[in-house]
Amino acid sequence: GAGVSQSPSNKVTEKGKDVELRCDPISGHTALYWYRQSLGQGLEFLIYFQGNSAPDKSGLPSDRFSAERTGGSVSTLTIQRTQQEDSAVYLCASSLNWGETQYFGPGTRLLVL
Amino acid sequence: SQQGEEDPQALSIQEGENATMNCSYKTSINNLQWYRQNSGRGLVHLILIRSNEREKHSGRLRVTLDTSKKSSSLLITASRAADTASYFCAPDNYGQNFVFGPGTRLSVLP
Repeated sequence: GAGVSQSPSNKVTEKGKDVELRCDPISGHTALYWYRQSLGQGLEFLIYFQGNSAPDKSGLPSDRFSAERTGGSVSTLTIQRTQQEDSAVYLCASSLNWGETQYFGPGTRLLVL
Repeated sequence: SQQGEEDPQALSIQEGENATMNCSYKTSINNLQWYRQNSGRGLVHLILIRSNEREKHSGRLRVTLDTSKKSSSLLITASRAADTASYFCAPDNYGQNFVFGPGTRLSVLP
């Protein structure tokens, strides 16, 4: 069956530009998570959505980062005025309900020049 | 949120040997999950163990959980080259978000 998909798979952008990363979760999954993984580092939680509840934004590193989830399905992570330190792999995961097994997408590799 | 801390950070073994990696955490948990990541992309869920379970098996994987010591271990038996990956634990803390640690980088040499 279809898993979590993310697009684009790779993104190269110039410092100061805005980028949008997309995540399509598994159909029917109510929880959606965004993580960031810098080179050689572990995963860093960014934000999660659970059903129609307000998202937990506690992990967002700065106000340049925002995310939305439309219709309880597709999610977009937006990074405004990108900085070189934003370069990382951004991973999205979804789970049937919050706290249950998370299924990860392949990630988007972002490079800010 | 709480983070699982994996140990060792890196492990190299020969094919056919067993690999053991450990995870420690700080606060009480509802469950703990182990994930594998190949080539820095796309984590794969391996196994979930609940706080009232002490051991769980899945194929060549064996996970133990000791809530009194706040630790878990993942054992991979009869390792294969394809097991080469990074392994992460994720302690789930009753509604708190978790953050993955740096993981254990396992290299299985042919």
